[in-house]
Amino acid sequence: SYELTQPLSVSVALGQTARITCGGDNIGSKNVHWYQQRPGQAPVLVIYRDMNRPSGIPERFSGSNSGNTATLTISRAQAGDEADYYCQVWDSDTGVGFGGGTKLIVL
Amino acid sequence: QLQLQESGPGLVKPSETLSLTCTVSGGSISSSSYYWAWIRQPPGKGLEWIATIYFSGNTYYNPSLNSRLTISVDTSKNQFSLKLNSVTAADTAVYYCARQGLGELSFDSRFDPWGQGTLVTVSS
Repeated sequence: SYELTQPLSVSVALGQTARITCGGDNIGSKNVHWYQQRPGQAPVLVIYRDMNRPSGIPERFSGSNSGNTATLTISRAQAGDEADYYCQVWDSDTGVGFGGGTKLIVL
Repeated sequence: QLQLQESGPGLVKPSETLSLTCTVSGGSISSSSYYWAWIRQPPGKGLEWIATIYFSGNTYYNPSLNSRLTISVDTSKNQFSLKLNSVTAADTAVYYCARQGLGELSFDSRFDPWGQGTLVTVSS
């Protein structure tokens, strides 16, 4: 299966910038999607195809993807951004792959 | 606004078959642009993709679950369904259904939107 590696947790001070990484072999050649999941809720798409924001997602959320790392960047972090974040790709051999998830802690 | 709703038993006995249905409202499951998928999340753990289906019946299965899975679509009811047989405690999870993709999955495999999820517990 195609492995996606995320840090277990990332901490960010209120108002600062958080970066959550998603590592995979030549992930830059794939389209990466990102989801936010608050406790007790279903995941919500926040970035699709590396860097695109769905309607209703704040501009503070952005994405990039190159080489072996995709990155979700959250600018001006707010208390409401505290959640689990998952990256996801499609692999031609094994289908959908999810990263293990990263807990964002806003201090 | 497209909405998805999972339904099915919340408790399944070990070795039996888990059966869930996802009802789609606010849009047609027969849209040529989208696929329909099941994802699960064991308590306290991460997301695991289960399977994907196109309205024509084309299916994609998680290789690790393939031998126990059946996914089907009923366009007349705007529903798609999941059957997972020979369940064990390891299959206890919140099960989500979601719309997937826009065009070819290799180009765009995003899940959006998701249903609210339903907890299925495997226990005797």
